[in-house]
Amino acid sequence: KQEVTQIPAALSVPEGENLVLNCSFTDSAIYNLQWFRQDPGKGLTSLLLIQSSQREQTSGRLNASLDKSSGRSTLYIAASQPGDSATYLCAVIGTGTYKYIFGTGTRLKVLA
Amino acid sequence: GAGVSQTPSNKVTEKGKYVELRCDPISGHTALYWYRQSLGQGPEFLIYFQGTGAADDSGLPNDRFFAVRPEGSVSTLKIQRTERGDSAVYLCASSLEAGGHEQFFGPGTRLTVL
Repeated sequence: KQEVTQIPAALSVPEGENLVLNCSFTDSAIYNLQWFRQDPGKGLTSLLLIQSSQREQTSGRLNASLDKSSGRSTLYIAASQPGDSATYLCAVIGTGTYKYIFGTGTRLKVLA
Repeated sequence: GAGVSQTPSNKVTEKGKYVELRCDPISGHTALYWYRQSLGQGPEFLIYFQGTGAADDSGLPNDRFFAVRPEGSVSTLKIQRTERGDSAVYLCASSLEAGGHEQFFGPGTRLTVL
């Protein structure tokens, strides 16, 4: 059974820092991995989607990497801003399935 | 273009009542998913539709939960005899097709059962 873990559960950093959020999964047979952002009381906003054949994806100040063999993904946020404060969730779809398995998220707070 | 929409945004009901939650997917998306998110947790899968048929309902917690998508577009999640433990945010997502395509999420419906 696929399990997704995110570390740390919460993170508080001063504005301008570069930071790394971690996601690990127990079954490496995945179709893709997606990173989401969730603001309090809101739905999920897709940040980056990495197909299983890819090693990384970049969008603006965000870079996500995928190491399928070790069951790990990292989300790198450069030059963090207070507007980046949110919960970040990673989710994987296993091969042969269509449903996302989510981690419990990392709550990020960027201090001005 | 318009994203996934869900109505109502908030629903408060009493224990034992029946509720319906609606999801309007992105136009042209054939796959539709329902997830449930409890406080402090990641979303958990409930059911997935490919077209009109429920392709995987393995996440529905019990037979009080049922979902339909009669015309392959709008979907309704129905909960009978609600219990306090059903309180959560119910999220809907759609994708162009099933099989690993990017899923786009709606804002969710916050259900509170008193």
